[in-house]
Amino acid sequence: KQEVTQIPAALSVPEGENLVLNCSFTDSAIYNLQWFRQDPGKGLTSLLLIQSSQREQTSGRLNASLDKSSGRSTLYIAASQPGDSATYLCAAGPSGGYQKVTFGTGTKLQVIP
Amino acid sequence: DAGITQSPRHKVTETGTPVTLRCHQTENHRYMYWYRQDPGHGLRLIHYSYGVKDTDKGEVSDGYSVSRSKTEDFLLTLESATSSQTSVYFCAIRTGTYEQYFGPGTRLTVT
Repeated sequence: KQEVTQIPAALSVPEGENLVLNCSFTDSAIYNLQWFRQDPGKGLTSLLLIQSSQREQTSGRLNASLDKSSGRSTLYIAASQPGDSATYLCAAGPSGGYQKVTFGTGTKLQVIP
Repeated sequence: DAGITQSPRHKVTETGTPVTLRCHQTENHRYMYWYRQDPGHGLRLIHYSYGVKDTDKGEVSDGYSVSRSKTEDFLLTLESATSSQTSVYFCAIRTGTYEQYFGPGTRLTVT
């Protein structure tokens, strides 16, 4: 059974700081790894998707990396802003013939002005 | 947002009553999912569908049923609502590249 862990559960940083969010998974035979952002009371917004054949994806100030062999993914946020405050979740895509995606419980980020 | 809507957005119901939540998509994606999100548990899969009339159970399917009679609609039914089913329910679709997109959610309170 796939298990996905995100540590820390909460993180507080001053505005302008570069930061890294971590995601680890136990079954490395995943099809992809997806990062989401969730604002309070809202749905999940897709940020980045890394296919298993890729090592990283970039979108603006965000960069996500994937290392299947070590079972880890990181989300790098450059020059953090108060608007980046949200909960960030990673999801390990289906492995083998099983269609289930496994979510981590998220890292709650607060960027202090 | 992949054109996903959920209805109702908020609902309060009494224990023992049946409840149906609707998910509607506009882009003809084959795979659709129902999740529930609870503090301390994260997102958990209830049921999913891989085509019209093709559905399968997730990890927390007890007390829930689903139906998909059209590609665009995926219904989640609580046969007899219980307080433990108070939660936020999210519908999602999966694209051909295995990317998931989520609807805005339905906040359900069972009193």
